[in-house]
Amino acid sequence: DAKTTQPPSMDCAEGRAANLPCNHSTISGNEYVYWYRQIHSQGPQYIIHGLKNNETNEMASLIITEDRKSSTLILPHATLRDTAVYYCIVRVGPGTGTASKLTFGTGTRLQVML
Amino acid sequence: DGGITQSPKYLFRKEGQNVTLSCEQNLNHDAMYWYRQDPGQGLRLIYYSQIVNDFQKGDIAEGYSVSREKKESFPLTVTSAQKNPTAFYLCASSRDGSYGYTFGSGTRLTVV
Repeated sequence: DAKTTQPPSMDCAEGRAANLPCNHSTISGNEYVYWYRQIHSQGPQYIIHGLKNNETNEMASLIITEDRKSSTLILPHATLRDTAVYYCIVRVGPGTGTASKLTFGTGTRLQVML
Repeated sequence: DGGITQSPKYLFRKEGQNVTLSCEQNLNHDAMYWYRQDPGQGLRLIYYSQIVNDFQKGDIAEGYSVSREKKESFPLTVTSAQKNPTAFYLCASSRDGSYGYTFGSGTRLTVV
């Protein structure tokens, strides 16, 4: 699986959009970008994933550059409950039948402030 | 509701004792995983299993053992050979190895 690079920490004011970047310059053509977050002392929670098109769900939006070498997770209106560590992971996509382990780096620690 | 359950939430053991952490899922997922997390660190894979009666070592398997006798259960034993067992242990499952993971709430093990 391709490696990813994320900033170690970011701050965001409550109510503003939080934009979390991720670089994955060695991503392969069949690899997806996944985002998880981990609130303190809990198990990681799936947020969103995508291949090349931008994706949106009830939690967040995922913007992937045209060359797929980087992506941005957007939390449109951050709240205090969004304070967590956010992990960007690259791996083969669902339904391929390929066993591919999720490899977690140290992620980005997002602090949402009043 | 379907989910993945880890028990207990907190566990204390004396040094030199083996201890088994429980992980049960009712999601009908084929694949299950054990991760370890140390303070301020990411998750590191200990063992994983793609089907019943089969499992593979992850990146830090030394000092740990697992079994997968039932689809729903994937217990992890921390043996006395594990030099630094105090950590937060997370179990996860997925439909198969290529789908996203569902995580349990974790077990915090403290060895004194």
